[in-house]
Amino acid sequence: EPEVTQTPSHQVTQMGQEVILRCVPISNHLYFYWYRQILGQKVEFLVSFYNNEISEKSEIFDDQFSVERPDGSNFTLKIRSTKLEDSAMYFCASRPGPTGELFFGEGSRLTVL
Amino acid sequence: QKEVEQNSGPLSVPEGAIASLNCTYSDRGSQSFFWYRQYSGKSPELIMFIYSNGDKEDGRFTAQLNKASQYVSLLIRDSQPSDSATYLCAVKGSWGKLQFGAGTQVVVTP
Repeated sequence: EPEVTQTPSHQVTQMGQEVILRCVPISNHLYFYWYRQILGQKVEFLVSFYNNEISEKSEIFDDQFSVERPDGSNFTLKIRSTKLEDSAMYFCASRPGPTGELFFGEGSRLTVL
Repeated sequence: QKEVEQNSGPLSVPEGAIASLNCTYSDRGSQSFFWYRQYSGKSPELIMFIYSNGDKEDGRFTAQLNKASQYVSLLIRDSQPSDSATYLCAVKGSWGKLQFGAGTQVVVTP
C-alpha cells in the first residue's frame, strides 16, 4: 500500500541551527501539507502546497520556515534558525485532490536544545 | 479564528460499551468532517469522514453530523482495549487543509 514517508524519524539540534525535514508523498498526489504537533497539544496546520507553490500558510509559518519540492518527489520543510519552541512532531501529509482522505506520514520528531 | 472544539477527556469506557465523542465547529460554511484516531507518538489515522447531515456507519463506528447545530459526533460500539487512543475531530477548510480539534482521550477498561 502506498504511503507517505518521512525522514528523519527523530532529529536533535542546537538552537539556531538549520533543520530540513524530508517527505516523499504518495506518487499520484497533488496536494501536500505540513502539520506540527507540540507534545500534548493539538495537530496544527503549517502550510499547504499545490502546483509548485504555497497555497496557504498559517500564522505559525513565519519567515523562518520554507517549503520546497525540488525534484518532483521530495517535499521538504526547512526551519532556518531553530528555536526551543520549534520542538515538536512534524507531520507531512498528501492527498490526490482537494477532497477525500488526507494521508499522513509517520512524523519527524524535532528536539531543539 | 475558526475553531474546532472537543472535550479533552479522558473518557473512560468499559469494554463492550459505547463510547460517545462530541465535536463542535465555528465555521458555518464547513462542508466536510473527519474523525482520526491517534495513538501516543504516532500519526493520525483516518477512521471515517462525513459530508451530509445524518448518520454514517462503518463497522463499529458511526459518525453523526448536524450542520444546523454545527455538531459532529462519533460513536464507538462494542469498545475494545485497542480503541484506547486520542480521537481527533477535523474540519476541512480551504485548499483541502484540515483544522483539528485538541482531541478526546478514550480509555477502554477491561
